[in-house]
Amino acid sequence: GQSLEQPSEVTAVEGAIVQINCTYQTSGFYGLSWYQQHDGGAPTFLSYNALDGLEETGRFSSFLSRSDSYGYLLLQELQMKDSASYFCAVNRDDKIIFGKGTRLHILP
Amino acid sequence: DTEVTQTPKHLVMGMTNKKSLKCEQHMGHRAMYWYKQKAKKPPELMFVYSYEKLSINESVPSRFSPECPNSSLLNLHLHALQPEDSALYLCASSQVLASTEAFFGQGTRLTVV
Repeated sequence: GQSLEQPSEVTAVEGAIVQINCTYQTSGFYGLSWYQQHDGGAPTFLSYNALDGLEETGRFSSFLSRSDSYGYLLLQELQMKDSASYFCAVNRDDKIIFGKGTRLHILP
Repeated sequence: DTEVTQTPKHLVMGMTNKKSLKCEQHMGHRAMYWYKQKAKKPPELMFVYSYEKLSINESVPSRFSPECPNSSLLNLHLHALQPEDSALYLCASSQVLASTEAFFGQGTRLTVV
């Protein structure tokens, strides 16, 4: 089976940095993905880590430690438009399974 | 073209109705998916189609039935739904089954009355 744990909500200030953590328990692990979903919108792929370390894409970075079964999404220079839900996800048995999601609130 | 197109965007149906949701992608992706999403919850996988093979989440009731007319189209037929089936239905596609990057459509907001 698989289990993905994320905080349900995180609050940060505009312009700041925020980290959203994800711990997982899954057999046959192939990598950790991150998705963003705005209210009323569709999930959008952000990043993928197959190997340990940091992947950077603009203001967003994602980190993976396979030995710790842990990853995080780092958002820098927060903007109000980053207010959304963020999901970590794994591919298990050719199925993309999502964590419960973290709602990111950004204060001006 | 990096879009997954879903129609309709909104649908209200009675419990005795039969309706279909449609999904189309022209990215040459070989895997397509239907997800159901309730408010403040993650997407839950319903069906996976790849190379004409259907994979079903066993918890999905038979009042939902997928159809894949070709590799670019994926329909979801709805019949005798219940009010608890009201949700956002998301279609997605990926290059292959093992891909971790999926492209989602904007979804169909379904209300069952």
